[in-house]
Amino acid sequence: GESVGLHLPTLSVQEGDNSIINCAYSNSASDYFIWYKQESGKGPQFIIDIRSNMDKRQGQRVTVLLNKTVKHLSLQIAATQPGDSAVYFCAENVGGGYNKLIFGAGTRLAVHP
Amino acid sequence: DVKVTQSSRYLVKRTGEKVFLECVQDMDHENMFWYRQDPGLGLRLIYFSYDVKMKEKGDIPEGYSVSREKKERFSLILESASTNQTSMYLCASSPAGGGQFFGPGTRLTVL
Repeated sequence: GESVGLHLPTLSVQEGDNSIINCAYSNSASDYFIWYKQESGKGPQFIIDIRSNMDKRQGQRVTVLLNKTVKHLSLQIAATQPGDSAVYFCAENVGGGYNKLIFGAGTRLAVHP
Repeated sequence: DVKVTQSSRYLVKRTGEKVFLECVQDMDHENMFWYRQDPGLGLRLIYFSYDVKMKEKGDIPEGYSVSREKKERFSLILESASTNQTSMYLCASSPAGGGQFFGPGTRLTVL
């Protein structure tokens, strides 16, 4: 399928390792953050979200960490599997109603057996 | 589970044709969005709607219009398709205060 984005930063990991994908967000007023996964030729899939009153949230094999001091968000994937290979985007909601999001450029995760 | 569906996965149209892209969500969400996604440019917001018959321009509304006659349905219209509108089009919906959920996308090619 056609690639989601050309020249995206790529993180290459071995199957079974843990992955950490980072994102710097732009607006200190942002109060809600989401991580999306997008496989080639498909729409973005909601993975996990976190609100600004938290600094950590865990899901199944995924953890999101929020550092508001430096405006940084990270997604940790435990025991990475080949099916985790995709482009990962962070998104921030700057508030003001309507749930408009600002999306990061994305990071390509490549999992090698 | 939230379900957002788009009328076509692949569409090929000719320059100057009028094109309709349909999006339906089944979760009674207030907000709906249309994006286009191009390699190297990421997701760009075309239009969004926060209620029936309400619409707001996004970042790149030129050459597009939208219609939201029913809460569950949000249509994107290309009045006169041009080759630079060849792209992947993504629809999303969200509840008030919640995250956006995306459809599978429509890959539109304008010849």
